[in-house]
Amino acid sequence: SAVISQKPSRDICQRGTSLTIQCQVDSQVTMMFWYRQQPGQSLTLIATANQGSEATYESGFVIDKFPISRPNLTFSTLTVSNMSPEDSSIYLCSVEGADGETQYFGPGTRLLVL
Amino acid sequence: GEDVEQSLFLSVREGDSSVINCTYTDSSSTYLYWYKQEPGAGLQLLTYIFSNMDMKQDQRLTVLLNKKDKHLSLRIADTQTGDSAIYFCAESIRGTYKYIFGTGTRLKVLA
Repeated sequence: SAVISQKPSRDICQRGTSLTIQCQVDSQVTMMFWYRQQPGQSLTLIATANQGSEATYESGFVIDKFPISRPNLTFSTLTVSNMSPEDSSIYLCSVEGADGETQYFGPGTRLLVL
Repeated sequence: GEDVEQSLFLSVREGDSSVINCTYTDSSSTYLYWYKQEPGAGLQLLTYIFSNMDMKQDQRLTVLLNKKDKHLSLRIADTQTGDSAIYFCAESIRGTYKYIFGTGTRLKVLA
C-alpha cells in the first residue's frame, strides 16, 4: 500500500480566506482523489485528479470553489476558496492502489472555518 | 441512485464477536470494501471482496456478501478495545473510479 501524507494536518481559518491542502505519495500513482467528510458524516468524493489533465468534479463541486493541481505523479493540492463555516470538514486525499482494485487514504486535513 | 446504508452504533464486550452490517443499492458494484477510521485519523483499508465472491476471511475478519439481498457484513472475532472505531463500508461503481461510502458504524468495545 502507498504511504500518503497531507499538510496541514489541521487548521483554523477565517471566513473569506482560502487554504491549500497538499497531498504527497511515496510512489507514482495515476489516479488521485479528493474527498470531504463533514462532521459526523460519511465521505463524499469532490473530484478525481489525473496527472496532466484537468480534474473531474462530482456533482455539487466546482473548480472555482475547489481548484485542484496535479503537477506530477506523486503530488496534488486542493484549495478551498473563499471559505465559509459550512466548509468546516475533514478533507482527505486518496490514491488508487497498484492493483487497480483499491484506494488508500491519507490521514486527512481537519479544517475549521470561523 | 447509489446508496449505502449502515446502522449508526454497535456496542460489544471485549472478547465477543462484532458483526457490522451494510446494505447497498447498486447491483453493478465491482468490489465492496471495509474501512476503519480511528479518532483523529484517516481511513484504513481493512479488507475488500470481489462482487462475485460470497465470503472472505482474513485473520480475525470475515466478510460475507449476499449479492441477491445486496447485503455485506463484517465480522470481527475476539473483539478488542483497539477495535473501537468507525467502520465504513463502500462499493466501487463499475466503469468508474468512484466509491460510494456508507454512513459509518461506530463500534464501541466495552472492557
